Amino acid sequence: QKEVEQNSGPLSVPEGAIASLNCTYSDRGSQSFFWYRQYSGKSPELIMFIYSNGDKEDGRFTAQLNKASQYVSLLIRDSQPSDSATYLCAVLMFSGGYNKLIFGAGTRLAVHP
Amino acid sequence: SAVISQKPSRDICQRGTSLTIQCQVDSQVTMMFWYRQQPGQSLTLIATANQGSEATYESGFVIDKFPISRPNLTFSTLTVSNMSPEDSSIYLCSVETRKSSYEQYFGPGTRLTVT
Repeated sequence: QKEVEQNSGPLSVPEGAIASLNCTYSDRGSQSFFWYRQYSGKSPELIMFIYSNGDKEDGRFTAQLNKASQYVSLLIRDSQPSDSATYLCAVLMFSGGYNKLIFGAGTRLAVHP
Repeated sequence: SAVISQKPSRDICQRGTSLTIQCQVDSQVTMMFWYRQQPGQSLTLIATANQGSEATYESGFVIDKFPISRPNLTFSTLTVSNMSPEDSSIYLCSVETRKSSYEQYFGPGTRLTVT
C-alpha cells in the first residue's frame, strides 16, 4: 500500500465549477498535511496546509481533513483555466529522527473554458 | 516564505561525469532537503541535509552516488556522481520553515539530462 494515494486524473472541470481533489494516507499518526500546485515545467508551490480536523479556507481554496478516515481533500471554487496544474498531496511523517514529507503521485486538473 | 535559488537551472552531461547542484536560501534555515522528480512522476526524497551533521539518506540513495554538503544555514550542494542516463531528472532542493506546521518551500529545480 502506498503511503499517500491520489487519483492521477486528469480531472476535467468546466470554468466556474468546483474542483474536488482527494488524497488518502496510510500513517494514522500523521499530523500535518499539505497541498502543492505544480505547473508544467515548474517546481511545486505550497498553497494550503492543514493539521486540524475539519475545514480550512483560504480564498477560493478549502482544505478538508478527516483523520479518522485518513482522508484529506482540496476544493477549488470558481475554477479558472489558470488553475490547470498538477496538485500534489503531501503528508508529514516522522521517520529516522526527522520530519519528512511523503508525496502522492499528484492529480492533474484541467479547467476548460 | 524563503527565497530559494538553484544553480544550474539545467545541464546536459556526459555519462560517467559528475554534476554539483547548488542551493542558496535568503535566510537561515535548519532543515534542507533534496528531492528528485523523474519525468511524469512525483517527488522522491533523496536526503535530508542538517547543518553540522551528516546528511540522512533515504532508502535507495547512497552517499557515494549523491554526496551532499551543508556548510552553513543558507547553502547546500548535491552532487550526482558517475552519471548514467537513468539519472536524468529534475533535482529540487527545499527548505523547512517552522512558523506553524513544518511547511516546505521549493527551489526552482535543476533539469539534468545525461547522454
